[in-house]
Amino acid sequence: GAGVSQSPRYKVTKRGQDVALRCDPISGHVSLYWYRQALGQGPEFLTYFNYEAQQDKSGLPNDRFSAERPEGSISTLTIQRTEQRDSAMYRCASSLRLAVEQFFGPGTRLTVL
Amino acid sequence: KQEVTQIPAALSVPEGENLVLNCSFTDSAIYNLQWFRQDPGKGLTSLLLIQSSQREQTSGRLNASLDKSSGRSTLYIAASQPGDSATYLCAVTIQGAQKLVFGQGTRLTINP
Repeated sequence: GAGVSQSPRYKVTKRGQDVALRCDPISGHVSLYWYRQALGQGPEFLTYFNYEAQQDKSGLPNDRFSAERPEGSISTLTIQRTEQRDSAMYRCASSLRLAVEQFFGPGTRLTVL
Repeated sequence: KQEVTQIPAALSVPEGENLVLNCSFTDSAIYNLQWFRQDPGKGLTSLLLIQSSQREQTSGRLNASLDKSSGRSTLYIAASQPGDSATYLCAVTIQGAQKLVFGQGTRLTINP
């Protein structure tokens, strides 16, 4: 079946604009995770959902970042009033349930000018 | 706070050699450990997952071991090929939280 998909793959925006990044998990996966990866580093956790419930958002850097998964499937990560330091690869992963193997999407490369 | 370290940061070996990548973590209270492969411009591909109760997992030319008490894991690659060139990341799922904590990766180059 299809893997995790993310859109857009690349996003260039100007400082101060809002951006919305989308993640479509593997069908049937109830858990969905967002990570951010800087160049040369491993991914860092942002937030995760179990079904539609956001159960941990401790990794979100500040209140400009938010995420939702209203129907327990597709998720959107929104960054308001983007800053240059938000430039990174944003990765989404899903798993069949909690604490099992996570499968990653291709990522969205965000560049804030 | 769980910290994951991978050494070396980069490794270059001739084709055909067997090699070992190392991963260490500071807190042994983990659910599992996962090894990933990352190719430039692409996503992370899951290679192996070891549950905390297991000692090793094998897939083809790859073998991963886990010593939870000492906070270490190794990824053994047999008969390396140029196509194995990539960045290899290890990550642990810590107990009480569902997130993966990643190391910084080992960039592997296999020279023909």
